[in-house]
Amino acid sequence: DAKTTQPTSMDCAEGRAANLPCNHSTISGNEYVYWYRQIHSQGPQYIIHGLKNNETNEMASLIITEDRKSSTLILPHATLRDTAVYYCIVRALNYGGSQGNLIFGKGTKLSVKP
Amino acid sequence: KAGVTQTPRYLIKTRGQQVTLSCSPISGHRSVSWYQQTPGQGLQFLFEYFSETQRNKGNFPGRFSGRQFSNSRSEMNVSTLELGDSALYLCASSLRGPDMNTEAFFGQGTRLTVV
Repeated sequence: DAKTTQPTSMDCAEGRAANLPCNHSTISGNEYVYWYRQIHSQGPQYIIHGLKNNETNEMASLIITEDRKSSTLILPHATLRDTAVYYCIVRALNYGGSQGNLIFGKGTKLSVKP
Repeated sequence: KAGVTQTPRYLIKTRGQQVTLSCSPISGHRSVSWYQQTPGQGLQFLFEYFSETQRNKGNFPGRFSGRQFSNSRSEMNVSTLELGDSALYLCASSLRGPDMNTEAFFGQGTRLTVV
């Protein structure tokens, strides 16, 4: 089962920041927080990941609370093309072992409106 | 560089038949994972292959199998198809090496319909 809890859906106005929350209260010390999104009828797309420090890349920012029990994905200037289902996943890296097992939950359906 | 390529994109099969789906990972990626996506169950992990060996397996019946070739290309097979096997089958490739903080890149998927 997924170890994360996300709101089922959210709306955001085009051009505004979209803040997507995720609860992962049972996260272990060696587990990372990953975010993927899936635009309708396409394969999931990697967005960002982090362990305990805040992370930023060209797509988004990831803010992880100090106790690591929750995080927020921030899309700074949402566009209509950001409409998608966003998945928050916690996952340990098994050094020397597999990385392929992603446990997806239901995700948050983000609708960006004009 | 080219992304993950899955073939065919769409497939219609009859109950009881078998089907083989193909996945070509990103060049240089050695890990290939397969997922099944249905409206009811969402995205579920099937299995992962690395260096032609299955490394992880999800909770699916033995009718679902796969393999990986020496060039990292992978196939998955579903035998004795059931209506409930209708789904989008997704393949993802990952770069695996000393730096373990790498992401999975997904293909567009194969849409299988069982009638």
